[in-house]
Amino acid sequence: EDQVTQSPEALRLQEGESSSLNCSYTVSGLRGLFWYRQDPGKGPEFLFTLYSAGEEKEKERLKATLTKKESFLHITAPKPEDSATYLCAVQAYGQNFVFGPGTRLSVLP
Amino acid sequence: DVKVTQSSRYLVKRTGEKVFLECVQDMDHENMFWYRQDPGLGLRLIYFSYDVKMKEKGDIPEGYSVSREKKERFSLILESASTNQTSMYLCASTGVGGRGETQYFGPGTRLLVL
Repeated sequence: EDQVTQSPEALRLQEGESSSLNCSYTVSGLRGLFWYRQDPGKGPEFLFTLYSAGEEKEKERLKATLTKKESFLHITAPKPEDSATYLCAVQAYGQNFVFGPGTRLSVLP
Repeated sequence: DVKVTQSSRYLVKRTGEKVFLECVQDMDHENMFWYRQDPGLGLRLIYFSYDVKMKEKGDIPEGYSVSREKKERFSLILESASTNQTSMYLCASTGVGGRGETQYFGPGTRLLVL
């Protein structure tokens, strides 16, 4: 059975304090790994898709990386507006998405 | 930009009422999905559709039905609302083909059943 876990469950950072969020997965035949950002009371907003080990994607202060077992979302010099829940999801070939529980990030000014 | 819209942001209904949640996407996507999101349980798939008039059960279909009469519109129906259906409901859509099917989400409908 495909599974996705995320750690930590919650993370509190000072503004400018870089860190990483982890997404560990087990899936047979990875088609894609997806990162989303979700603000309270809103739908998830798409950030990145990664397809194969070694791939990296960047957007502003965020950088996503992928290995055969996990993905990291690196946040460089975060700002308070980066505060949100970050969701990871995987899709195997011929299967629906499997979402992780999310990491709740708070960035304090 | 992909746009997925949902008919209501907030709904309050009584137990036993029939509830319709509407979702519309403007990107000519073939695939549409309904999820519910609850604290501690994450996103759970209720139903999905790969084509007009086609539907497939997800992980938690009990108490729900769906309708897809047009490609751009996917409706979730609660035949007789119950308090345990109080939740955040999220609609998503994807295209077909390519290396991966990125799901794009609507803003969500927060449903309270009293």
